[in-house]
Amino acid sequence: QVYLVESGGGMVQPGNSLRLSCAASGFSFNMYSMHWVRRAPGKGLEWVASLSNTGNKRDYSDSVKGRFTISRDNFQSTVFLQMDSLRSDDTAVYYCGRARDRDGRDFDYSGQGTLVTVS
Amino acid sequence: DIVMTQSPLSLSVTPGDPASISCRSSQSLLHTNGYNYLDWYLQRPGQSPQLLISVNSRRASGVPDRFSVSGSGTDFTLTIRRVEADDVGVYYCMQALQTPPTFGQGTRLDIK
Repeated sequence: QVYLVESGGGMVQPGNSLRLSCAASGFSFNMYSMHWVRRAPGKGLEWVASLSNTGNKRDYSDSVKGRFTISRDNFQSTVFLQMDSLRSDDTAVYYCGRARDRDGRDFDYSGQGTLVTVS
Repeated sequence: DIVMTQSPLSLSVTPGDPASISCRSSQSLLHTNGYNYLDWYLQRPGQSPQLLISVNSRRASGVPDRFSVSGSGTDFTLTIRRVEADDVGVYYCMQALQTPPTFGQGTRLDIK
């Protein structure tokens, strides 16, 4: 059974930082790319960032590029999202997702999410 | 970026009736391998997004065959053959052909 558990959300002031974690279990974590997506209040889903299984390929949405950093620890089966220079429009529930078919741009499992409030 | 446009943005359906959601992309999602890189997700109230149907209209594990997708290229339709109470939530189409992956605005389905 695939499990993804996000943590690290909370309320922060604009300009501050936050680091999200996503602990994975139930699959060979080091063989899968991982994604972060978010859903802002009253808005739809938005892809945020992706990281290859080896950690050597990162992609970011234009809205977070230069401010967010995705990373992973394959020994701890955890993916991270370092969020710096936070803005009010970053307020959202953040979900991590496992890449479909190991390296797809889409995801087949996601966690329950962690709420980030920038205010 | 590929723009995804869904319609309608909301619909109210009587249990047992069919429902359809349209999704259009600004570029063809048909890969040279013959697959359409179009997914459908459902986000039930208070839950995380769930993959319903992935590339080339493959239903995800556990998704009933009441759900199906038709179309190719730039125009797609998600059809729910007989809507049930558990189908309530927001449906999203998403293109997985190019980075950045992009979602439609979402279609909220509720039960009459």
